[in-house]
Amino acid sequence: EVQLVQSGAEVKKPGESLKISCKASGFSFTKYWIGWVRQMPGKGLECMGIIYPGDSDTRYSPSFEGQVTISADRSISTAYLQWNSLKASDTAMYYCVRHSNSGYLLDSFDPWGQGTLVTVSS
Amino acid sequence: EIVMTQSPATLSVSPGERATLSCRASLSISSNLAWYQQKPGQAPRLLMYGTSTRATGVPARFSGSGSGTEFTLTISSLQSEDFAVYYCHQYNNWPRTFGQGTKVEIK
Repeated sequence: EVQLVQSGAEVKKPGESLKISCKASGFSFTKYWIGWVRQMPGKGLECMGIIYPGDSDTRYSPSFEGQVTISADRSISTAYLQWNSLKASDTAMYYCVRHSNSGYLLDSFDPWGQGTLVTVSS
Repeated sequence: EIVMTQSPATLSVSPGERATLSCRASLSISSNLAWYQQKPGQAPRLLMYGTSTRATGVPARFSGSGSGTEFTLTISSLQSEDFAVYYCHQYNNWPRTFGQGTKVEIK
């Protein structure tokens, strides 16, 4: 079964760092683009960026460039989303996603991870 | 950035009725459009890709159409499990963008 299993909910203070994870199984991790999607409370979906674990090619949406780091560890089929200094406005649900088809750059997202809720509050 | 505009924001429909959801792109995106369904407390689920191809396991009552800048998702006969928020998503250009969602609620 193709699955993306994300790390658990986090509660952090402004200025703290954080790295959340997305463990992939049931498919060849290095052959699919993996992405991260943000959903702020009560709001819609925003694509943050994608990474191709096969060669670590990474693309960031302009709104998120320089704000987060997307990475992947091929040895454990896990993708990461990292912040160096969290802000209250980073409070959101974060979903990891896989492109539907192997190697396709122009592609829909399927499946989705279960989401990781990040709360940033002083 | 391509702006995706969905209408209406909320659609009130009785079970068994037809629902038509619209999505407009600010620039042509060819047929590189997907639709997702999100229920409360759940992750979104892929319904449709390539404008009109149903994802695995999606019932035939869901259909998609359009090309270029105008797209439609139709649910031919709404079932109780279809009441949810629906998002369109363009994957033709970077950055990938989503519509703001259409909530389909029970009338």
